[in-house]
Amino acid sequence: QKEVEQNSGPLSVPEGAIASLNCTYSDRGSQSFFWYRQYSGKSPELIMSIYSNGDKEDGRFTAQLNKASQYVSLLIRDSQPSDSATYLCAASIQGAQKLVFGQGTRLTINP
Amino acid sequence: SQTIHQWPATLVQPVGSPLSLECTVEGTSNPNLYWYRQAAGRGLQLLFYSVGIGQISSEVPQNLSASRPQDRQFILSSKKLLLSDSGFYLCCGQFNEKLFFGSGTQLSVL
Repeated sequence: QKEVEQNSGPLSVPEGAIASLNCTYSDRGSQSFFWYRQYSGKSPELIMSIYSNGDKEDGRFTAQLNKASQYVSLLIRDSQPSDSATYLCAASIQGAQKLVFGQGTRLTINP
Repeated sequence: SQTIHQWPATLVQPVGSPLSLECTVEGTSNPNLYWYRQAAGRGLQLLFYSVGIGQISSEVPQNLSASRPQDRQFILSSKKLLLSDSGFYLCCGQFNEKLFFGSGTQLSVL
């Protein structure tokens, strides 16, 4: 069973600080990784994708991938109350056209 | 741009009743399509996926079924709903390896 693991939280971060979200995956053949944000009662929305080792930055978001250690992380700089949501990590499954999702980490930004 | 249309937004059904949820895609042809379910406070569980018309792969044995009668149409069905079928159902399409979601259907089976 291919798995993606996340700490379910909740993770509380003061406004303006850096929020750090982590994810590990079990399939060494996974090539594509994604971070989704989901507000309560809404569908997930894609915020970052990463395919190669290292960092990828997009505005206040930075995704980090380490294939040797099989982990993916998401950093949110200058956290805002509007960043409060559940963040889902997803990884592709080698040889299959589908993604496996983690359980999600609930993030709360405190004003 | 690609758009996933999903309806209805909410649905309340009695146990034993049938179910039909429809999803349509705009802005692309021959997309991979998926049905996920999310129980309250839980992650996303892949139910079915389809790589083309009439091609359905089932991930979890259950009393649900899926069909893809047209290229841009994906339907989730059940003949008799169970209490355990309650959840948030999400249709999504894969474009350039990324998954994009419809707005979801909150199903309550009572």
